[in-house]
Amino acid sequence: QVQLQESGPGRVKPSETLSLTCTIYDASIRGFFWSWIRQPAGKGLEWIGRIYPSGTTNYSPSFQSRVTMSVDTSKNQFSMKLTSVTAADTASYYCAISQRGAFDIWGQGAMVTVSS
Amino acid sequence: QSALTQPPSASGSPGQSVIISCTGTSSDVGAYSHVSWYQQHAGKAPKLIIYEVTKRPSGVPDRFSGSKSGNTASLTVSGLQADDEADYHCSSYAGNNNYVFGTGTKVTVL
Repeated sequence: QVQLQESGPGRVKPSETLSLTCTIYDASIRGFFWSWIRQPAGKGLEWIGRIYPSGTTNYSPSFQSRVTMSVDTSKNQFSMKLTSVTAADTASYYCAISQRGAFDIWGQGAMVTVSS
Repeated sequence: QSALTQPPSASGSPGQSVIISCTGTSSDVGAYSHVSWYQQHAGKAPKLIIYEVTKRPSGVPDRFSGSKSGNTASLTVSGLQADDEADYHCSSYAGNNNYVFGTGTKVTVL
């Protein structure tokens, strides 16, 4: 069974860059799109963007100017950087496999707090 | 773009059915068949329960069903069980390699 695991610092200071990595277990990163999705506490889900193993990326217009995604096929990982963070970026961040126009399998989530 | 609109809450007694709506526009829900639904128990990650409007992943009970009419998609949970108490989120492809989620609905089993 495919498993995804997010990792990264739990706290980031305002105006700095949030960096997260998703490690894929029991599946190859090749052949699928991989997405980042976030959820502020008590609120709905927000799609941030996705990346294909070739490096092709698609970003939500809401995050286009601040997000960069990358992939490391040798480590079976993909990553996300979100710049110029504010308190509004405090959320749980999930990585997920994207196929069939849906998000099939999700990581357990990484809680990130933006605070000085 | 704007989030898809879902009712904040829905409820039903055990054994009853609950229907959750997900209203978008002619640019997302109304335009594509890539509508999906997710169940999220408190403190847990979302789980896919419906994709491509009506299809269920392996292992998802047939008590969960999806449909779409125009710009509104719906999730029906039949034969409500205690474990169905959770948040439910819809999602749709919105064109231009973009996806949008709904505002989320909390389902309470009375």
